[in-house]
Amino acid sequence: AQSVAQPEDQVNVAEGNPLTVKCTYSVSGNPYLFWYVQYPNRGLQFLLKYITGDNLVKGSYGFEAEFNKSQTSFHLKKPSALVSDSALYFCAVLSGGGNKLTFGTGTQLKVEL
Amino acid sequence: SQTIHQWPATLVQPVGSPLSLECTVEGTSNPNLYWYRQAAGRGLQLLFYSVGIGQISSEVPQNLSASRPQDRQFILSSKKLLLSDSGFYLCAWSSGNYGYTFGSGTRLTVV
Repeated sequence: AQSVAQPEDQVNVAEGNPLTVKCTYSVSGNPYLFWYVQYPNRGLQFLLKYITGDNLVKGSYGFEAEFNKSQTSFHLKKPSALVSDSALYFCAVLSGGGNKLTFGTGTQLKVEL
Repeated sequence: SQTIHQWPATLVQPVGSPLSLECTVEGTSNPNLYWYRQAAGRGLQLLFYSVGIGQISSEVPQNLSASRPQDRQFILSSKKLLLSDSGFYLCAWSSGNYGYTFGSGTRLTVV
């Protein structure tokens, strides 16, 4: 079975500091990995994805993620956090022959002044 | 451009009442359609997905059912709601390019 794990329930960071939200994966074959963000009482918004190619993927709102095959990780990063980045972040992997997204449990990011 | 519509935004229903949530997609044809449930504001659970009209795959046994009467319409239903059916329901679609687009969600409270 394919899965992703987000080991941190919550990440706190000061505005202006770099942030990292961790994700590790377990798949058979090549992984297709995604990051989504969710604001309160809203649907999920796509941030970025890794399908193939460059290990460093750049996405929306200044976020990026690094695919590391040896560590089976796909951590989300941003060089300088903003208070408006505070939200719930989900890592996901595509499975089931490309038909189904399996999500991690989510990490609540809190950026404080 | 493609858009996804999900309604209603919020719903309060008594235990034992029926449920019907609707999701429609515009601007694409033959999309894969999905219903997810998010409990307690955190984890997302895939409930149903559909790769075509009348084709429904159920991921977990439960009190809910899904139907796809038209290519771009996906309906989540229940004959009798339980308290445990409360949650945030999200519809999503994909067109095979590995991008998923989510609706704005329905907050269901069963009382």
